[in-house]
Amino acid sequence: DAGVIQSPRHEVTEMGQEVTLRCKPISGHNSLFWYRQTMMRGLELLIYFNNNVPIDDSGMPEDRFSAKMPNASFSTLKIQPSEPRDSAVYFCASSFGANSKETQYFGPGTRLLVL
Amino acid sequence: RKEVEQDPGPFNVPEGATVAFNCTYSNSASQSFFWYRQDCRKEPKLLMSVYSSGNEDGRFTAQLNRASQYISLLIRDSKLSDSATYLCVVNTGFQKLVFGTGTRLLVSP
Repeated sequence: DAGVIQSPRHEVTEMGQEVTLRCKPISGHNSLFWYRQTMMRGLELLIYFNNNVPIDDSGMPEDRFSAKMPNASFSTLKIQPSEPRDSAVYFCASSFGANSKETQYFGPGTRLLVL
Repeated sequence: RKEVEQDPGPFNVPEGATVAFNCTYSNSASQSFFWYRQDCRKEPKLLMSVYSSGNEDGRFTAQLNRASQYISLLIRDSKLSDSATYLCVVNTGFQKLVFGTGTRLLVSP
């Protein structure tokens, strides 16, 4: 079975440019999560969706970040305009159900470098 | 204070050694607990859930002490393939996971 799919796997861009990260969750999963990982701060939850509805976006750093989930099989995380401090690995994860014990399955991540 | 705190390591151990990692969490309302493993430049993957009564999965044993807000992971008979970063993870409500920054383990021949 296909796991969580993310694209692109690597992105290098210049400060001020718009960046769009994409995620396809595991089929049948109804919760989707966006995380950011840096050496300094570790893995941080940015936002999560349940049944395509944003539930908690308190981790989104600022207005430059936005996320959408137009349907059950696709989500985007957009950064506009990007800044060098946004450089990080961005992971998407999905799970089935709303139970706190459900396992979250992570995608391979998108490595973003903003110059 | 971080919500989940771990010793970053690295822990350098020889093959066959027993090694233990500890983790503390600050939110007493936390509902569920996990250890994830992350290999270099890879995504985190669930290693095991942690139950109040303690649980074992082969060479891995996890313990939870709710009173002290403390979680541990014990690895027996370490293998080279155990080299990775081990992330302590706490669910603070609904599906919101809070990750520790991880403990790095290096197992040498």
